[in-house]
Amino acid sequence: LAKTTQPISMDSYEGQEVNITCSHNNIATNDYITWYQQFPSQGPRFIIQGYKTKVTNEVASLFIPADRKSSTLSLPRVSLSDTAVYYCLVGERNTGGFKTIFGAGTRLFVKA
Amino acid sequence: ETGVTQTPRHLVMGMTNKKSLKCEQHLGHNAMYWYKQSAKKPLELMFVYNFKEQTENNSVPSRFSPECPNSSHLFLHLHTLQPEDSALYLCASSRDREGNTIYFGEGSWLTVV
Repeated sequence: LAKTTQPISMDSYEGQEVNITCSHNNIATNDYITWYQQFPSQGPRFIIQGYKTKVTNEVASLFIPADRKSSTLSLPRVSLSDTAVYYCLVGERNTGGFKTIFGAGTRLFVKA
Repeated sequence: ETGVTQTPRHLVMGMTNKKSLKCEQHLGHNAMYWYKQSAKKPLELMFVYNFKEQTENNSVPSRFSPECPNSSHLFLHLHTLQPEDSALYLCASSRDREGNTIYFGEGSWLTVV
């Protein structure tokens, strides 16, 4: 079963670039990598999704190496409001279909 | 606004009560999910419905009973719950079950007393 491994927590300062790396050694050929952001007392919110190489949107960039066994979410110039939990997800094939598993996520704390 | 609406946002119930959580999605999706999030724990997938049919039940106790009358609505019926069932219950939907992007509601905070 594919699993993801992320750092439990990270600290940063306003204006810095933050890179959060996720390991997914058993990623399947057809799996996509998706990152979510969750603020306290709210549901997770989609940030970015990719299959390989690099994806960029107005919020973040996602870097995926050729072997796809890891991915890095890059948040440019973070602000205090980026303090949240960030989850890396990989679509996982199971006998009953795809199973989407959330790990513990990475708690990012942005300081002034 | 994610297109997934959950009601109520907060619920306090006794262990002998029967209550229901409601979820409605306005995204035209075919798959809907219930997740549970306890304090400082990862999200736990509880149930999955695809085209109104339940496709996954991750060993959830029978005191939680899901219902999916159509692709837009999902309920979680609750009865004889325990205090340890207090948590944030999140509903989500996706276009289908094939690993597409999942859209979450804001959640229903449940406190069992």
